[in-house]
Amino acid sequence: EAQVTQNPRYLITVTGKKLTVTCSQNMNHEYMSWYRQDPGLGLRQIYYSMNVEVTDKGDVPEGYKVSRKEKRNFPLILESPSPNQTSLYFCASSGQTGGEQFFGPGTRLTVL
Amino acid sequence: AQKVTQAQTEISVVEKEDVTLDCVYETRDTTYYLFWYKQPPSGELVFLIRRNSFDEQNEISGRYSWNFQKSTSSFNFTITASQVVDSAVYFCALSEFTGNQFYFGTGTSLTVIP
Repeated sequence: EAQVTQNPRYLITVTGKKLTVTCSQNMNHEYMSWYRQDPGLGLRQIYYSMNVEVTDKGDVPEGYKVSRKEKRNFPLILESPSPNQTSLYFCASSGQTGGEQFFGPGTRLTVL
Repeated sequence: AQKVTQAQTEISVVEKEDVTLDCVYETRDTTYYLFWYKQPPSGELVFLIRRNSFDEQNEISGRYSWNFQKSTSSFNFTITASQVVDSAVYFCALSEFTGNQFYFGTGTSLTVIP
């Protein structure tokens, strides 16, 4: 089944404790992206990647890191999480620029 | 400035009514793509439609239809004969050919009352 998976689905952590949210797709897509969703703000793009070893900042990259060492994986790293990073995070992949994005199920992160 | 504006934050309609969700976008690119996604209460994001900037034909898919007007930079979405299952948050989005970023609107929460 073609899908984007994210882990964990739910995470409660404390300020400053490094965490990684994994994202994996099995569709051989080149384009992958991370978003955060906050009430009243819609989805905002954090980082995106056009291909392996190619990443770019989206609208809200501060406090986040990403890496794209393999085509299928695109982890989101919060090196020192803060409460304002409490949000619902979505990973997505697409077979082409401007193409339909397939979204993962979301990761709800709470930073205390 | 917002690249995608969904001015309607919340809409409530009674079942079987028609409802139109507005989307206005802003871009300087001549090549771009517009999307609608649905987010039901379960939380997943469901793709509904993708249009490119060179195709202004309106599209109909069952009870759903989309009106793309470049002259007004709008890409509106109409649900005909709404049903309770249509209750969801709907997002309009823009992807520009240059820049490779993806911009979402703030969403419209639709409630269909039985």
